[in-house]
Amino acid sequence: EVQLVESGGGLVKPGESLRLSCAASGFTFNNAWMSWVRQAPGKGLEWVGRINTRGGGGTADYAAPVKGRFTVSRDDSTNTLYLQMNSLKTEDTAVYFCTRYGSGHFDSWGQGTLVTVSS
Amino acid sequence: QSALTQPRSVSGSPGQSVTISCTGTSSDVGGYNFVSWYQQHPGKAPKLMISDVSKRPSGVPDRFSGSKSGNTASLTISGLQGEDEADYYCCSYAGTYTVIIFGGGTKLTVL
Repeated sequence: EVQLVESGGGLVKPGESLRLSCAASGFTFNNAWMSWVRQAPGKGLEWVGRINTRGGGGTADYAAPVKGRFTVSRDDSTNTLYLQMNSLKTEDTAVYFCTRYGSGHFDSWGQGTLVTVSS
Repeated sequence: QSALTQPRSVSGSPGQSVTISCTGTSSDVGGYNFVSWYQQHPGKAPKLMISDVSKRPSGVPDRFSGSKSGNTASLTISGLQGEDEADYYCCSYAGTYTVIIFGGGTKLTVL
């Protein structure tokens, strides 16, 4: 069974940094594209970024609102996906979901971790 | 790039069918067969219901079906059941710049 467990959320001030982690199990992590999707309180889903497999170059793509501030990375030795968030803004407040990504869709989701950016 | 356009709400009675539309452009929905649909119950993670326009993952009831015509994709739920009451989101691949875009979501109410 695919399991994705996020951690690292919390309350931070604008301009600060935070790193989210996602522990993956139940599938061959190093063969999977992975992605982060977020949901602001009471709002819809928003794609944040995705990362290729190491064999595919390990490259990452980002949504325009986070490009240059957020970095998606992976550690295949520990089956862990990361989201490094710098220069956080109040509009980054959301639940962040770790997802397994494949051919344009997200087939498995974690339960999410809440990030609150407020002074 | 703006979100894909979905109706804010739809409703139907048990046993009826409802269709949720998702309108984009030739740069996303119309340009690729990578449209997916997600169901989200309150306080829960989204669940994949349809991928690649019309493919149903294992375990998803065949009451759920997807289609696409031009720049508009649709999710049809037939034989509505109370457990279908949820928010539904469409999603499309949108090329190498925007990459992935979601719809604004549709709240389905089962009357």
